[in-house]
Amino acid sequence: DAGVTQSPTHLIKTRGQQVTLRCSPKSGHDTVSWYQQALGQGPQFIFQYYEEEERQRGNFPDRFSGHQFPNYSSELNVNALLLGDSALYLCASSMKTGVEPQHFGDGTRLSIL
Amino acid sequence: QKEVEQNSGPLSVPEGAIASLNCTYSDRGSQSFFWYRQYSGKSPELIMSIYSNGDKEDGRFTAQLNKASQYVSLLIRDSQPSDSATYLCAVGYNFNKFYFGSGTKLNVKP
Repeated sequence: DAGVTQSPTHLIKTRGQQVTLRCSPKSGHDTVSWYQQALGQGPQFIFQYYEEEERQRGNFPDRFSGHQFPNYSSELNVNALLLGDSALYLCASSMKTGVEPQHFGDGTRLSIL
Repeated sequence: QKEVEQNSGPLSVPEGAIASLNCTYSDRGSQSFFWYRQYSGKSPELIMSIYSNGDKEDGRFTAQLNKASQYVSLLIRDSQPSDSATYLCAVGYNFNKFYFGSGTKLNVKP
C-alpha cells in the first residue's frame, strides 16, 4: 500500500521563477493538504483540495495556487518566487471524514537563490 | 485564528527516563488530537491519535487528553536516544481542518 508520494525531493530555483510540486495521496484518501515548513517551525497550512476544488486556504498570497486531479493527486504552484519561499513543502492526505489523521509525504525541499 | 501552543524546548532527558511533552489549544470545538514525530530534515510521522478525554496507550507512548483544560500531552516511557526528535502536536476540526504547534525538541541523552 503506497503512502503519500511527493516529487521532486529537492529543487533549486532563483528569485522570480515559478515552481510546480507534485503529490500523490495515500491509497483510499481523497483529500490533499499542502503545508510550508520553514526551518525550526511547525508546518503552516497553505490550502486543501477535495473533489478537485480548493476547500480551505491558509494565510498565503495568491502566488500560491494548486490543483487536484480526478485521481486525487495534486500540484502546488508558486509564482514569482521569493527568498522567503525557501522551505520544506509537505503534502498530507486524509479522508474527508475530518477526524482521521493526515499522513505526510517525504516533502520537497525548495531552495531559492 | 486557532492556536496550538507547545514549549519549543529543547527538553533533555536521560536514557530510560519518562519524557513528558505538553500542548494547549485555543478552540473548544477541536475534535481530534494527534502527535507527530519529526526527525531533522524528514517529514512528520504520526505516532498517536486521541479523540476522547483520558489516556490512550500504545507501546511506550501514552497520550493524555483533557478537553476541559484544553490540554493534550504525550508521555514517552523508557526514552531511547532514537526518540530524539521534534514532536508536533496537531489539532483537528470539522472537515479536515488541522492546526499544528511549532513543536518541542526532545533530546534523549545516552
